[in-house]
Amino acid sequence: AQSVTQLDSHVSVSEGTPVLLRCNYSSSYSPSLFWYVQHPNKGLQLLLKYTSAATLVKGINGFEAEFKKSETSFHLTKPSAHMSDAAEYFCVVSNFGNEKLTFGTGTRLTIIP
Amino acid sequence: DTGVSQDPRHKITKRGQNVTFRCDPISEHNRLYWYRQTLGQGPEFLTYFQNEAQLEKSRLLSDRFSAERPKGSFSTLEIQRTEQGDSAMYLCASRPPGAYEQYFGPGTRLTVT
Repeated sequence: AQSVTQLDSHVSVSEGTPVLLRCNYSSSYSPSLFWYVQHPNKGLQLLLKYTSAATLVKGINGFEAEFKKSETSFHLTKPSAHMSDAAEYFCVVSNFGNEKLTFGTGTRLTIIP
Repeated sequence: DTGVSQDPRHKITKRGQNVTFRCDPISEHNRLYWYRQTLGQGPEFLTYFQNEAQLEKSRLLSDRFSAERPKGSFSTLEIQRTEQGDSAMYLCASRPPGAYEQYFGPGTRLTVT
């Protein structure tokens, strides 16, 4: 079985301050983990992925995530928020050999000018 | 690489009518997936194809839903006798051989009145 819990449904940060979006996962096997972003009226865009290589993963637009097996976490961070980062973010898990992606319920990120 | 495309982008239909959606994956992506996303939730897996073979179906995919991928290229998702509960965003994704991540189209938003 595989599941994802996004710990915050809504996060607000000021422009230029750090961003932290939290995600915990449950997986029976070695998981692949992803963060996707969804802007209003746009499709889901892949931000970054972890697939059992380096535990610190760098993605697009300055985002990073760290895979911590002992904590079953895969939190998303960015050092300095930009107005264009305002969107819905989904943490996603997939077990090895399992075709389907399991999404969390999403975290809405608001950037305060 | 023109991305995954979906048609139509929006569909309004009356309860009891049939609707059909089309998805064109990225060329050479042999795997194709359908997901459904309701308001405030993450996408949920419906079904997937490897080439023209439909290999997995979710319990969410009732008998009123049918998906095809003739010749392993584009795919269609048909909903018969639509119900108000079918109102959602229907997302298509594709995945190339050897990759873990899926690439999503912009979705078809269905409203059943």
